[in-house]
Amino acid sequence: GAVVSQHPSWVICKSGTSVKIECRSLDFQATTMFWYRQFPKQSLMLMATSNEGSKATYEQGVEKDKFLINHASLTLSTLTVTSAHPEDSSFYICSARLGAGELFFGEGSRLTVL
Amino acid sequence: GEDVEQSLFLSVREGDSSVINCTYTDSSSTYLYWYKQEPGAGLQLLTYIFSNMDMKQDQRLTVLLNKKDKHLSLRIADTQTGDSAIYFCADRGSQGNLIFGKGTKLSVKP
Repeated sequence: GAVVSQHPSWVICKSGTSVKIECRSLDFQATTMFWYRQFPKQSLMLMATSNEGSKATYEQGVEKDKFLINHASLTLSTLTVTSAHPEDSSFYICSARLGAGELFFGEGSRLTVL
Repeated sequence: GEDVEQSLFLSVREGDSSVINCTYTDSSSTYLYWYKQEPGAGLQLLTYIFSNMDMKQDQRLTVLLNKKDKHLSLRIADTQTGDSAIYFCADRGSQGNLIFGKGTKLSVKP
């Protein structure tokens, strides 16, 4: 099946620094990728929809200047958490859509901000 | 807006069947999904069902869909300790994304 890879799997950073998380579709082209955030013991909340070559669409309550999303190619979307703070610590998961069909998820990236 | 609800916990004994239930609100749903998440890991697609189906069976997994009641269930036969995880029900939203329930934590006791 289609594979979506996220990198890094784990990242620890100091408060105030920025962290970039990559999401790659390894064997298919994804015109649309979705970024989710999962708090401990909670469900996944959609943060934004990333469309190749255009600006991301953010969900209500998600700060676009805080969570920068770039979808520069059909196989790569990046999420940059700018000036990270401890409350940004979370599990971030991306998914990529194969055409108009199934969504495939990455393994997730756990961010810990000290 | 679109919403997906599911019970938070389920505990069964090894060898028994597990049934995880889910309700959704979007009447235009075309696909409904079940995902498994093990601790610290991403999501693994277990199975999905198209909205014009009532049932789908895949080895130990049986999905039942009652479209009239907007009720979806996942039955795991002969539940094993390796099945312990959080199971998410998801509905395909109008934007093409997935809308997840809060997840049901399945605990399997030996």
